Order: sequence, then structure tokens, then C-alpha cells
Amino acid sequence: KQEVTQIPAALSVPEGENLVLNCSFTDSAIYNLQWFRQDPGKGLTSLLLIQSSQREQTSGRLNASLDKSSGRSTLYIAASQPGDSATYLCAVRPEGGKLIFGQGTELSVKP
Amino acid sequence: DGGITQSPKYLFRKEGQNVTLSCEQNLNHDAMYWYRQDPGQGLRLIYYSQIVNDFQKGDIAEGYSVSREKKESFPLTVTSAQKNPTAFYLCASSGGPTGNQPQHFGDGTRLSIL
Repeated sequence: KQEVTQIPAALSVPEGENLVLNCSFTDSAIYNLQWFRQDPGKGLTSLLLIQSSQREQTSGRLNASLDKSSGRSTLYIAASQPGDSATYLCAVRPEGGKLIFGQGTELSVKP
Repeated sequence: DGGITQSPKYLFRKEGQNVTLSCEQNLNHDAMYWYRQDPGQGLRLIYYSQIVNDFQKGDIAEGYSVSREKKESFPLTVTSAQKNPTAFYLCASSGGPTGNQPQHFGDGTRLSIL
């Protein structure tokens, strides 16, 4: 059974720092992996989607990587800003299956 | 603006009552999904639909029902059989062949028990 884990559960950094959020999954047979952002009391905003054949995707200050063989993905945020404070969730789609979510990392960027 | 609209934002249910959460999308997406989010837990899939007039149970379908009579609409009914309905409910949709497009989410409905 596919399980998705995100560590740490919470992270606090000073503004301007580069940071990495981690996502691991137990079964490497995935179709794609998606990173989301969730602000308090709001829905999820899709940040990046990486297909199983890709190694990374970039959007602005965000870069997501995927290593299927080791069951890991990272989300790199460059030059963090207070506006980046939110909960970040990763989700994997097993081949032929539905999205399976991690529990998220709550990020706080201090001015 | 294209997007997903969930209503109401807050909903209260009395004992023994069924309540219905609305989800409408104007993205022309074929697939729609309902998730439940509890504090400290990830999202869990309740029901999903890949095409009009067809839907499948997710991981926690007991106590819930859905319909998909129109492409744009996927309402979720929380029945009195759902004994612990207090949660944040999220609706999502995606387009393209199954699975290769990102899911887009609404802003959620928070359901509480009176």
C-alpha cells in the first residue's frame, strides 16, 4: 500500500533563506507527483506537477525534483519570503490510481 | 475567471439531518473529486467521478453520497449515517486523460455539528 510521508511537519526559517521540503513515498510505481500549497482555511493551490519520466520542474523561485527509484521528491524554495508561509503538501498518483497525499509541512517564514 | 466554486463556506448539521455541499466548475474538466481533511491528517478521498453519470467510491465513502448529472456539478451529501462529519471538505477537478493533469481545488466547506 502506497504511503506518503513529509518531514518535518513544521519548519520555521528567517526571510531570505533557501529551503528544502521533503516528500517520500513507499512504492516507486507512480504516474506523477504533485506539490500543493494550502493557506489557512483555504483550498489547495497546485504548484508543480512532475510526470514519472521527468526529473524536475521549475516555476519561479520553486524547483521540484523527483527520484522515483529512491522514492523521494524535494521542493526547493529560493530566497524565501513571509508570503511563502503556508502548508505545503505533496501527493503521488500510483499508476492507474488516485492521488495519495502526505500530511504536509507547515512553513513559517519570519520577517 | 475559470475555477471551482464550493458553497456554502460554513455549514452546520443537526443530529439526524442530511446536508448537501455544492461544487461547481467552469473549467470544462471531465473528472471531479471530493476529499475530506481532518486536523493533522492528509486529504482522504470520499468519491470521484471521471465522466457524467458515473462515479466511484474512494477510501472513506461510507455515510456519503454523490451525483454527477451535469459535467459542471458534483454535489456531495453527508447523510445521517456519517457519525463523525465535522471536517473540512474539498472539491477538486482535473482535465485531460486520466491522471496526467494537475488537480485544481475549490476553497472548501467547513462542516460542523450543532
